[in-house]
Amino acid sequence: AQSVAQPEDQVNVAEGNPLTVKCTYSVSGNPYLFWYVQYPNRGLQFLLKYITGDNLVKGSYGFEAEFNKSQTSFHLKKPSALVSDSALYFCAVRVYNQGGKLIFGQGTELSVKP
Amino acid sequence: DGGITQSPKYLFRKEGQNVTLSCEQNLNHDAMYWYRQDPGQGLRLIYYSQIVNDFQKGDIAEGYSVSREKKESFPLTVTSAQKNPTAFYLCASRLLGDTGYEQYFGPGTRLTVT
Repeated sequence: AQSVAQPEDQVNVAEGNPLTVKCTYSVSGNPYLFWYVQYPNRGLQFLLKYITGDNLVKGSYGFEAEFNKSQTSFHLKKPSALVSDSALYFCAVRVYNQGGKLIFGQGTELSVKP
Repeated sequence: DGGITQSPKYLFRKEGQNVTLSCEQNLNHDAMYWYRQDPGQGLRLIYYSQIVNDFQKGDIAEGYSVSREKKESFPLTVTSAQKNPTAFYLCASRLLGDTGYEQYFGPGTRLTVT
């Protein structure tokens, strides 16, 4: 079965420190992986994706993610966190041959304190 | 939230009533999706449609119905058969043939049934 796991419900970091939000996946075939961010009572905003190529993917707002095939992980990172990065982050994987269906992790609440 | 609109933002209904949530997009996207979001559970796919007049059930279709009479519109009806309808509902769309597979989300509708 295909799945996505975000092992941390909440991540707390101080402003200016690096942040990591973890994601692991299980899929058939080559993984298409995504990160989205959600602010309170809003829809999801696309941050970045990995389809193929370089394992380090750069996205919006200074975020990047590292694809690691051997560890089946796709962790989201940012070198220096901002208070405004505080939000709910979702990792997702495309399900092969099902109309572009995405499976989402349960989400990780990121809190950045000044 | 791009060119996807969902209305209303908040919706209140009495138990036993059907209710229809609107989703419209002006992105000329082919595929549209409905997700349900509950706290701590991520997003779960209800229905999706890749072309007009055709749609497929997602993982939690019971108690819901959809239609796709126009490319721009994909309304979701929450019927009285849905046992626990109170949730945040998100609509998304995607351009077929886009190998990136990322979906773009509307702002959501929060439905409360009492």
